[in-house]
Amino acid sequence: EPEVTQTPSHQVTQMGQEVILRCVPISNHLYFYWYRQILGQKVEFLVSFYNNEISEKSEIFDDQFSVERPDGSNFTLKIRSTKLEDSAMYFCASAAFASTDTQYFGPGTRLTVL
Amino acid sequence: AQSVTQPDIHITVSEGASLELRCNYSYGATPYLFWYVQSPGQGLQLLLKYFSGDTLVQGIKGFEAEFKRSQSSFNLRKPSVHWSDAAEYFCAVGAAGGTSYGKLTFGQGTILTVHP
Repeated sequence: EPEVTQTPSHQVTQMGQEVILRCVPISNHLYFYWYRQILGQKVEFLVSFYNNEISEKSEIFDDQFSVERPDGSNFTLKIRSTKLEDSAMYFCASAAFASTDTQYFGPGTRLTVL
Repeated sequence: AQSVTQPDIHITVSEGASLELRCNYSYGATPYLFWYVQSPGQGLQLLLKYFSGDTLVQGIKGFEAEFKRSQSSFNLRKPSVHWSDAAEYFCAVGAAGGTSYGKLTFGQGTILTVHP
């Protein structure tokens, strides 16, 4: 069964460093998402991406964050200058043909900022 | 703005007992509702979803949920819990149409512990 994959599973970085989290969505899916879950808190929406552009973003998704789909298969989230409060589990999700389709989630990348 | 409330942070049941996890939502139009389950170290797995039609929805692993518009609720149920059901359960409401592209808003989650 197709699944969303994410790498790395765990990333440790120093405050101020740039990180790139990678996701491979399910092939042929058209809608892509990033969510994050700070330990002990809700899963929060960060951004949605469709037709090679951001379609919606949350207040969390400020200028430090960016997304791209560089090669038609990978979907990346870049944090330009990490802060301590960026420490969280980051989930990628994809949906097939419509924004109302089921979103399939990857296993997540745990980001730890020291 | 859409929101989801899961009133129970932690629920403990005995194996074989029935289960009901509560979820209340707030959304201005007809909601799209989901239940996801997360086992330790795993991603979010879809249990079931409600888009329209029959308000009683069947999902995987013997779970079901009932959409009650009058109560703004979408409670998850299972008649007989198995030890493998121990996990964290998330209710979510989806938005679509207009300026929205499927953003999901999640509840706080309910941790289910199953005693043998």
